[in-house]
Amino acid sequence: GENVEQHPSTLSVQEGDSAVIKCTYSDSASNYFPWYKQELGKRPQLIIDIRSNVGEKKDQRIAVTLNKTAKHFSLHITETQPEDSAVYFCAASDPGGGADGLTFGKGTHLIIQP
Amino acid sequence: DTAVSQTPKYLVTQMGNDKSIKCEQNLGHDTMYWYKQDSKKFLKIMFSYNNKELIINETVPNRFSPKSPDKAHLNLHINSLELGDSAVYFCASSQDRWERGEETQYFGPGTRLLVL
Repeated sequence: GENVEQHPSTLSVQEGDSAVIKCTYSDSASNYFPWYKQELGKRPQLIIDIRSNVGEKKDQRIAVTLNKTAKHFSLHITETQPEDSAVYFCAASDPGGGADGLTFGKGTHLIIQP
Repeated sequence: DTAVSQTPKYLVTQMGNDKSIKCEQNLGHDTMYWYKQDSKKFLKIMFSYNNKELIINETVPNRFSPKSPDKAHLNLHINSLELGDSAVYFCASSQDRWERGEETQYFGPGTRLLVL
């Protein structure tokens, strides 16, 4: 089955700086890669996703890049703000491929220092 | 209106009891899921259910069973609760797990289960 590794487990950056979280996956059949943000005591919320036919996707201060050959993808947050503090999860899946659901990384606790 | 809802929000119970968690989605989605988030925040798929097809993660004990009375609901039944079942359980749904572009999953608010 799919295995997703996520680094770092904790990331502390100064407000206004950029943050980068990296993930690798093992199953070359995976073709959908979402990122979720989870605030304390809340549900995971989708912030951006990318499919395997695209190398990069951007939404305002958030961008995701995907390298299918190397089987890794990254989340980039620019001009970080205090409300960006949360746990971020990457995930991978192969919808329709027989495997079910999303395989998540172990999460990155992002701390924005004022 | 809440797209994916779960009840109860909190559940405290004794070891050995049987309990259920309800999940409803009003998005018209075809596929529903259950995830378990343990104390280390690790999220793991338990089940997915689509059009009467149930896919079970092989690591899930058979004390856990999902039941779907209709397309909008996927309830989770847990028999003979154990201490290790304490976790947050999230329900999720997606439009269609088979169709590219429709696989985005939306999560419910979670049910915090504590087994004493």
